[in-house]
Amino acid sequence: AQTVTQSQPEMSVQEAETVTLSCTYDTSESDYYLFWYKQPPSRQMILVIRQEAYKQQNATENRFSVNFQKAAKSFSLKISDSQLGDAAMYFCAYRSSRASGSRLTFGEGTQLTVNP
Amino acid sequence: DTGVSQNPRHKITKRGQNVTFRCDPISEHNRLYWYRQTLGQGPEFLTYFQNEAQLEKSRLLSDRFSAERPKGSFSTLEIQRTEQGDSAMYLCASRAGSADTQYFGPGTRLTVL
Repeated sequence: AQTVTQSQPEMSVQEAETVTLSCTYDTSESDYYLFWYKQPPSRQMILVIRQEAYKQQNATENRFSVNFQKAAKSFSLKISDSQLGDAAMYFCAYRSSRASGSRLTFGEGTQLTVNP
Repeated sequence: DTGVSQNPRHKITKRGQNVTFRCDPISEHNRLYWYRQTLGQGPEFLTYFQNEAQLEKSRLLSDRFSAERPKGSFSTLEIQRTEQGDSAMYLCASRAGSADTQYFGPGTRLTVL
């Protein structure tokens, strides 16, 4: 079974600074998807960024980018120019590319605080 | 695109009562998921529908839990004989068949007294 580990329960960053959230995963599959979701205090989960394992290029969405290291099974999220609205719980998630493997497996989450 | 909606948003019940939650997915999404999230934890998968067919169930889904998606549109999750351990946020997500991203609803927070 796949597992996802986020080793940083809490992180903090100063407004306008850069922060990196860590995520590692364990799988025997070669093709899969990885996601970062954000869950603000209102608790609705919002997709931040996604990465297909077969793509070597790291995904980027505006101020959010990932460092995907397939061999190391590492998938970190970098937030540049942090804003107060970035404060939230961030979850790393894994999904198999197999048709039957449709579920998301989540890590434990990292609570990000943005200090003004 | 109105997003995934869930009702009710909050439910307080007494132990032993039955509760039912509803999820309305994004209209063109044929895949629907239920997850459970306890405080401070990541969501855990419960079950998955493709159209009206329930294709996957987690071992977390005990025989007190049942989910349906009768017409391949909205889905219901029922918990019978609720226990205090059932207290959690129940999240619904949907996905288009050709896409790889699940979109989540706001969740239903269940409190069992």
